[in-house]
Amino acid sequence: AQTVTQSQPEMSVQEAETVTLSCTYDTSENNYYLFWYKQPPSRQMILVIRQEAYKQQNATENRFSVNFQKAAKSFSLKISDSQLGDTAMYFCAFGLGTGTASKLTFGTGTRLQVTL
Amino acid sequence: EPEVTQTPSHQVTQMGQEVILRCVPISNHLYFYWYRQILGQKVEFLVSFYNNEISEKSEIFDDQFSVERPDGSNFTLKIRSTKLEDSAMYFCATLTGVGNEQFFGPGTRLTVL
Repeated sequence: AQTVTQSQPEMSVQEAETVTLSCTYDTSENNYYLFWYKQPPSRQMILVIRQEAYKQQNATENRFSVNFQKAAKSFSLKISDSQLGDTAMYFCAFGLGTGTASKLTFGTGTRLQVTL
Repeated sequence: EPEVTQTPSHQVTQMGQEVILRCVPISNHLYFYWYRQILGQKVEFLVSFYNNEISEKSEIFDDQFSVERPDGSNFTLKIRSTKLEDSAMYFCATLTGVGNEQFFGPGTRLTVL
């Protein structure tokens, strides 16, 4: 079974600054995907960024980028130029790359507060 | 942009009653999921559904739960006899294929009194 660990329950960052959210995972599989989802107060789950495990290049989406260290099973999210709208819960998630189920296994989340 | 929709947005029910939560997936998506999130906790997988049958279910998904896609569009989650601990946000998610983004619906907040 896969597990996902987010060791930072809460973080705070000032507007325009950079923040990094940590995530580690455990799996014996080699073919998988990793995701960061954002959950604002509306509780909608919004995909922030996605990484295929077979790709060495780290994914980037505008101000969001990841540091994927496959050997260390680490998948951190960096938010640059933080904005007030980034305030939300952030969940790291793991999905297998094979089979029909492809369920997501989530971490416990990091609550990010962006301040003025 | 196509989106997953869920109804109702909030359901209040008495313990022991049956509830049906509905989801309309994105039309060309093949895989369907239900997750739940108890307030303040992480999102947990309940069940996955592909090709008109359950692909996988978690230990949470006991005999009180069932899913179906009765008319080829709606994807429903039924809880036969609700318990207080079933109070949670229930999310439907769909995707086109393994490894792709799972699109989440806005969720149904279920409150069991």
